Amino acid sequence: DAGVIQSPRHEVTEMGQEVTLRCKPISGHDYLFWYRQTMMRGLELLIYFNNNVPIDDSGMPEDRFSAKMPNASFSTLKIQPSEPRDSAVYFCASSFSSSNEKLFFGSGTQLSVL
Amino acid sequence: QQPVQSPQAVILREGEDAVINCSSSKALYSVHWYRQKHGEAPVFLMILLKGGEQKGHEKISASFNEKKQQSSLYLTASQLSYSGTYFCGTGPLEELQFGAGTQVVVTP
Repeated sequence: DAGVIQSPRHEVTEMGQEVTLRCKPISGHDYLFWYRQTMMRGLELLIYFNNNVPIDDSGMPEDRFSAKMPNASFSTLKIQPSEPRDSAVYFCASSFSSSNEKLFFGSGTQLSVL
Repeated sequence: QQPVQSPQAVILREGEDAVINCSSSKALYSVHWYRQKHGEAPVFLMILLKGGEQKGHEKISASFNEKKQQSSLYLTASQLSYSGTYFCGTGPLEELQFGAGTQVVVTP
């Protein structure tokens, strides 16, 4: 298996622009997580899906953030409008189940908002 | 509640040992350990599910003291490849809270 695939690897955009990050989880995994990593706050869980359904989005910082999972093999995280403080590395991770299973992380998207 | 890791950073020479601690103010039922190399994604090392459980990955092992609500990661006879930032994570997978990380640098 190719692992969790994220795109793009790097994104540089200007404040106010819409940003869309993409994720393809490992086939067969029924949990998908979006994390954000910054120096100040470390690894933060933003939202997670189970069987394509958003379960907990309490970590999403603001209404400017939204996430979707239209099918088992694709998820997006959208920021509209983007702000400089959104600059971070965004990781997608998937897991087979919640029963003490490990997370498989994608390579991440380095987002810079100027 | 985010677990607390110590130390924040450690520098080792190849072959030396180190211990990284992870403690929580809440009762622990499981502890995850991940390693992240610079510019890469975190990679799973091990999960400890029961108090007192110990596990190993290469020459990296961990213990879990449920009573003290803490876990320790032991780097034995460190290798250059052990360099990276080590994170502990506590809570169920759906609510995994990661510590701030411990940066480990192994020098020749």
